[in-house]
Amino acid sequence: SQQGEEDPQALSIQEGENATMNCSYKTSINNLQWYRQNSGRGLVHLILIRSNEREKHSGRLRVTLDTSKKSSSLLITASRAVDTASYFCATGRMDSNYQLIWGAGTKLIIKP
Amino acid sequence: GAGVSQSPSNKVTEKGKDVELRCDPISGHTALYWYRQSLGQGLEFLIYFQGNSAPDKSGLPSDRFSAERTGGSVSTLTIQRTQQEDSAVYLCASSSGFIDGYTFGSGTRLTVV
Repeated sequence: SQQGEEDPQALSIQEGENATMNCSYKTSINNLQWYRQNSGRGLVHLILIRSNEREKHSGRLRVTLDTSKKSSSLLITASRAVDTASYFCATGRMDSNYQLIWGAGTKLIIKP
Repeated sequence: GAGVSQSPSNKVTEKGKDVELRCDPISGHTALYWYRQSLGQGLEFLIYFQGNSAPDKSGLPSDRFSAERTGGSVSTLTIQRTQQEDSAVYLCASSSGFIDGYTFGSGTRLTVV
């Protein structure tokens, strides 16, 4: 079953604006990861945040994690056309040392 | 290899035929995963390999689906007597450790007609 739930399901913004996507989950986690998928093919790992971390940055990406609310957000600053993709969060459960649980994704469209 | 390689990239098959999908993971990655993704949907877990063994086959949808991994490297996902509902993109991923994140292949788009 899918634990992570992203919202919104779809997001359309103008190039240059910031895009924020959220992910909620249900069980205790070891870490939370964000992936990007272009054109329905392979996913690309963007960033991993551990359960004892609250915020992490990578280039134009900023991820926050609030374990008390069981939620995470992915912020893409100064969006570009190349950021158009689907974004998935995946959680690593405390009771599993290998399996990630995936959300259904947020489809992000950057308008020129 | 430099990345995870999947073949074929596209496969069209007739209902009732068997198909084999191949995944060549990153050299040295001990963990290998198969997922299925229907159009516009999230990832559906199929099976996980650690080395050559499959501790978790719980996601295989039916006994028509099977997978093996040899030499701790290449994996093959076989679907027997394909049905139209098997049409999807089949994604393979590998990782060196759970905490490191997965590296995905580009997937095989399977269409059953």
